[in-house]
Amino acid sequence: QMQLVESGGGVVQPGKSLGLSCAASGFTLKKYSMHWVRQAPGKGLEWVAVISADGRNKYYVESVKGRFTISKDGSKNTLYLQMDSLTPGDTAVYYCAREGVGRAFDIWGRGTVVTVSS
Amino acid sequence: ETVMTQSPVTLSVSPGERTTLSCRASQSVGTNLAWFQQKPGQAPRLLIYGASTRATGIPARFSGTGSGTEFTLTISSLQSEDYAVYYCQQYDNWPPWTFGQGTKVEIK
Repeated sequence: QMQLVESGGGVVQPGKSLGLSCAASGFTLKKYSMHWVRQAPGKGLEWVAVISADGRNKYYVESVKGRFTISKDGSKNTLYLQMDSLTPGDTAVYYCAREGVGRAFDIWGRGTVVTVSS
Repeated sequence: ETVMTQSPVTLSVSPGERTTLSCRASQSVGTNLAWFQQKPGQAPRLLIYGASTRATGIPARFSGTGSGTEFTLTISSLQSEDYAVYYCQQYDNWPPWTFGQGTKVEIK
């Protein structure tokens, strides 16, 4: 069964850092581009970042450029999102998603909650 | 950036009724358009990709049409489990990948 499980969320003060993980099972990350998508409380979905299947290409939404870093470890079959200089505007549920069939986001994790507050 | 606009914001629908949701792109996205369903406290679930192809396990009452800038999602006979928020997303002009703001389908 193909599955994604996020972890690492929590409460963090503004200006601090937090690292998220997304463990994949049932498929290998080496074959797929992988994305992070977030959802602020009561709001819609916002794409955050992507890493290509070979790991060479990474793109970010403008609001997180220079602060967030996406990466993956093929040996652990795990996707990561390192978030630095966090602001209250980064408060959201963070989902990882696979870019799969037809280039659509076909598998999603259940999400991990990040709260940035003093 | 391709802006996705969904209408209406909220739809009140009775069980068994047919309902249509709309999504408009600010520029052509071809047929690189997906629809997602999200229930409270759950992750989004892929319903439709390629504008009209149902994802694995999605019931036939869900159908998608459109190309270019105008798209629709139709639920032919609304079931109790279909009350949710629906999002469209384009994956033609990236980055960024962009979502609509969502349409909430509620019980009438």
